[in-house]
Amino acid sequence: AQSVTQLDSQVPVFEEAPVELRCNYSSSVSVYLFWYVQYPNQGLQLLLKYLSGSTLVKGINGFEAEFNKSQTSFHLRKPSVHISDTAEYFCAVGRVGGSYIPTFGRGTSLIVHP
Amino acid sequence: DTEVTQTPKHLVMGMTNKKSLKCEQHMGHRAMYWYKQKAKKPPELMFVYSYEKLSINESVPSRFSPECPNSSLLNLHLHALQPEDSALYLCASSQDWGPGYSYNEQFFGPGTRLTVL
Repeated sequence: AQSVTQLDSQVPVFEEAPVELRCNYSSSVSVYLFWYVQYPNQGLQLLLKYLSGSTLVKGINGFEAEFNKSQTSFHLRKPSVHISDTAEYFCAVGRVGGSYIPTFGRGTSLIVHP
Repeated sequence: DTEVTQTPKHLVMGMTNKKSLKCEQHMGHRAMYWYKQKAKKPPELMFVYSYEKLSINESVPSRFSPECPNSSLLNLHLHALQPEDSALYLCASSQDWGPGYSYNEQFFGPGTRLTVL
């Protein structure tokens, strides 16, 4: 079975500052990795995904993440955040070769202050 | 059209009521999902339909009854719910799902916020 740990429940940051949201996973098999964003009172939107290939993945809204197999991490980064990035961010893992159903982490609330 | 729509947006019901949630997609997807999300928690999978057949039921109580009348439509019938069932109910769809299929992105609807009194 796979599991995901998002160490930070809340990350406050000032506008235009860089941010990193941390995600570590555990799995005995190869995995797919994902970051989703959920704005208040909305559904989930896929930010980016790692399936294979380059370990640096670029997504929408200027976000990127790096897959680090040795550290079993998939941290999300943005060099300069905006007020509109305030949202809940979920890291998720899926099993390669299995029936794709993501296992979600508990979420990290990104709060961008002016 | 890459949209999943859900109605109603909000629903308040008593414990003796019967109500239904509706989800619709017109992307030609053959897999549809129901998730339950409590406040400040990640979504929890409830049901998966593949080609209009129920493929996964995550031990959901029988007071939740899913239905997939056709490949574009997914319903969730609610009866005799409890206050702890109050949550955001999310629908999602993907091109395909099942053993042997490669990754297919899930597209989520905006959800129905359910309050059980």
